[in-house]
Amino acid sequence: DGGITQSPKYLFRKEGQNVTLSCEQNLNHDAMYWYRQDPGQGLRLIYYSQIVNDFQKGDIAEGYSVSREKKESFPLTVTSAQKNPTAFYLCASNKRVGETQYFGPGTRLLVL
Amino acid sequence: GNSVTQMEGPVTLSEEAFLTINCTYTATGYPSLFWYVQYPGEGLQLLLKATKADDKGSNKGFEATYRKETTSFHLEKGSVQVSDSAVYFCALSPQNTGNQFYFGTGTSLTVIP
Repeated sequence: DGGITQSPKYLFRKEGQNVTLSCEQNLNHDAMYWYRQDPGQGLRLIYYSQIVNDFQKGDIAEGYSVSREKKESFPLTVTSAQKNPTAFYLCASNKRVGETQYFGPGTRLLVL
Repeated sequence: GNSVTQMEGPVTLSEEAFLTINCTYTATGYPSLFWYVQYPGEGLQLLLKATKADDKGSNKGFEATYRKETTSFHLEKGSVQVSDSAVYFCALSPQNTGNQFYFGTGTSLTVIP
């Protein structure tokens, strides 16, 4: 089955620790995205990538980093500089401009 | 700029009631419009979409019509079920401005038996 997978489902971060969220897609999509969702709120764009080895900051990139070394993969690192990382993180992808974005199941990040 | 404004929630309805969730947008040109649904603890799923004015998207009994004259894309369903309880997001994809989507803040719907 084609789709987007995210792992882990739950992730715990200690103070001062960097953590990496995984996002993989087998839809042959060129573009991939990371969003942050806080309780009762909409989605805010963190980073997006339109092609391999290229990515752009979204609205709330501070404290996050990404890489796009393969078409299928777009991992997100939440660095220690992100002081309020507790949220639900969603990865999405689409083939080209204007087309439907497809979402993964999400990763919930909690701070210990 | 581009933005989406959604009806504030939460919305609580009895089973078999009529549902309307309002969505209006601001965009230049002719954006594509989407409704997504999110069940608790899950990602977003595409519910329906429309890519040009007067198009009607429909799926699972839900409908929305792309109205350029009123810049609206209201979601409707004639008879809701308990299983429709979820959060609904309206979104737009602008024309010719890269791949970024713009999402509304979401409307929580609870359907009671």
